[in-house]
Amino acid sequence: NAGVTQTPKFQVLKTGQSMTLQCAQDMNHNSMYWYRQDPGMGLRLIYYSASEGTTDKGEVPNGYNVSRLNKREFSLRLESAAPSQTSVYFCASKTGGEFQPQHFGDGTRLSIL
Amino acid sequence: GQQLNQSPQSMFIQEGEDVSMNCTSSSIFNTWLWYKQDPGEGPVLLIALYKAGELTSNGRLTAQFGITRKDSFLNISASIPSDVGIYFCAGQYRYNTDKLIFGTGTRLQVFP
Repeated sequence: NAGVTQTPKFQVLKTGQSMTLQCAQDMNHNSMYWYRQDPGMGLRLIYYSASEGTTDKGEVPNGYNVSRLNKREFSLRLESAAPSQTSVYFCASKTGGEFQPQHFGDGTRLSIL
Repeated sequence: GQQLNQSPQSMFIQEGEDVSMNCTSSSIFNTWLWYKQDPGEGPVLLIALYKAGELTSNGRLTAQFGITRKDSFLNISASIPSDVGIYFCAGQYRYNTDKLIFGTGTRLQVFP
């Protein structure tokens, strides 16, 4: 009963390094999302994918790229990490149709030194 | 970017007390959601509200969709230690939208 699985759970990077965060869901959901969560703030949407083959910018896309590899997987890439990208990153997914909530993974804690 | 105003920011209560928190927005939402986040985990959906004025319960939790569609509140009755966590409201502008707007969270501590 995995749901939404994120890897890695923790990562420390140096400024300028690149990194790809992985997300996979086993619920056959159409839509997938990447959020970041900073202290004292709610989750903010970085990118989302409404269906396989499509991606769109969210609220805070700068410095990130995404790939919807297939229906199951949605990755988030930091090409040149900056200290401002230190955060907890959450992936979520939902099925189509009205009244369907988003299901979240347990997060990736990323520190940029 | 837009975030919902959620209050209070934190609460420290004794076991058995009731809790109330709310969320307000300058925009109208079609859906309000309440999530709970435990330490080291992702948010988990508690209650979803789909109609203005709707009052929905989930065990000791009760939430209401404000009649103006710009606010929502969550009540927890007879709190227990496992209620500890951060509670987030989230709003959706329309059904089946791809975007949620989250509140800033209410951190709840329950003392035995």
